[in-house]
Amino acid sequence: GDSVTQMEGPVTLSEEAFLTINCTYTATGYPSLFWYVQYPGEGLQLLLKATKADDKGSNKGFEATYRKETTSFHLEKGSVQVSDSAVYFCAKNTGNQFYFGTGTSLTVIP
Amino acid sequence: NAGVTQTPKFQVLKTGQSMTLQCAQDMNHNSMYWYRQDPGMGLRLIYYSASEGTTDKGEVPNGYNVSRLNKREFSLRLESAAPSQTSVYFCASSNPPGTSGNNEQFFGPGTRLTVL
Repeated sequence: GDSVTQMEGPVTLSEEAFLTINCTYTATGYPSLFWYVQYPGEGLQLLLKATKADDKGSNKGFEATYRKETTSFHLEKGSVQVSDSAVYFCAKNTGNQFYFGTGTSLTVIP
Repeated sequence: NAGVTQTPKFQVLKTGQSMTLQCAQDMNHNSMYWYRQDPGMGLRLIYYSASEGTTDKGEVPNGYNVSRLNKREFSLRLESAAPSQTSVYFCASSNPPGTSGNNEQFFGPGTRLTVL
């Protein structure tokens, strides 16, 4: 069935370090792919999205490329900041349903 | 433009009590969703409504009922609360793929429910 698998956390990085959070998805149909971010005590907010193969989504220094050949949508950022500390969710959308990964908690220390 | 709103923000119930969680969106979205979020399990879909007048079960529907009151509002009801329903509940809305604009989901701030 449909699913999204993402790297388990928690992840702890020093400020200005490089971030990668891996995400793979089951290839059912032609899904749109998303990264959401959740700050403590809040709901999920869209971070970036890609709607077709080879699209690159980007926002706030984060990037992810829709790789159909490897069914992946890895999240990257070249230099993380303390304010990036949050939980990150990878998701796919097929038809009316959305499928979320379990979330990866990121803590950035000064 | 408030987006997706949820009430209440916090609730404590005793086992066996009932309650309704309210959700409303002002983005004219067709589809609305209820999720629960538990530690280590991510988001799990309880019910969704693809359009006004329709509802469908998600991954974990047992113990819950929903009502799509109109295009704006989608409520979630716990008829007889159990400790296993202690969770954070999120409502979300979106438009189907192919409609104008984006098809991502927009989330409410959540309801933190504790069942004793």
